[in-house]
Amino acid sequence: DTAVSQTPKYLVTQMGNDKSIKCEQNLGHDTMYWYKQDSKKFLKIMFSYNNKELIINETVPNRFSPKSPDKAHLNLHINSLELGDSAVYFCASALGHLGNTIYFGEGSWLTVV
Amino acid sequence: GESVGLHLPTLSVQEGDNSIINCAYSNSASDYFIWYKQESGKGPQFIIDIRSNMDKRQGQRVTVLLNKTVKHLSLQIAATQPGDSAVYFCADSLSGGYNKLIFGAGTRLAVHP
Repeated sequence: DTAVSQTPKYLVTQMGNDKSIKCEQNLGHDTMYWYKQDSKKFLKIMFSYNNKELIINETVPNRFSPKSPDKAHLNLHINSLELGDSAVYFCASALGHLGNTIYFGEGSWLTVV
Repeated sequence: GESVGLHLPTLSVQEGDNSIINCAYSNSASDYFIWYKQESGKGPQFIIDIRSNMDKRQGQRVTVLLNKTVKHLSLQIAATQPGDSAVYFCADSLSGGYNKLIFGAGTRLAVHP
């Protein structure tokens, strides 16, 4: 009955590979996010979708491409992985996009070797 | 699991004491503020939030204080318990800004028996 679930939880891959992280929420929310947490635990927003429409697109390399097939899902695809992409990626969701509580998933630990 | 955030400020308290975690924000236009707790290997978990039309809000064992004049936010935890040990993040956003949370650096709370 996990509210925001993301898979895989752990991912180790080689430089240059392409990988995807999937996210699903069963909270009935219409806004979803991807955040990145670096090794110093700094959390930074990457993308946000509201009703499948991209509303936040921070300065992220275009190797990162989010895809939202419906408002309950937001996947993150990463092309040509680099060492610096190693981080924890958190999916999150909220109801609306005007100052409501954002709920986070448990994170996906990506290690690029 | 993720690497330890060695650069995080740490607050050490005795079990049963009250804890105060402080946070400064930079955007004077922010009108929504939130505290998250992140335990090792998990995602940020919502604790309490407050909007800019309030200066204090209480939850169960937690109180958030907002001082807009000096752009300061604090989280008070009463009767701190070992289960409170975690990294605590404050975040702020502009409610008309697509709920784009800007996170602070985080504070590690260590509770000693």
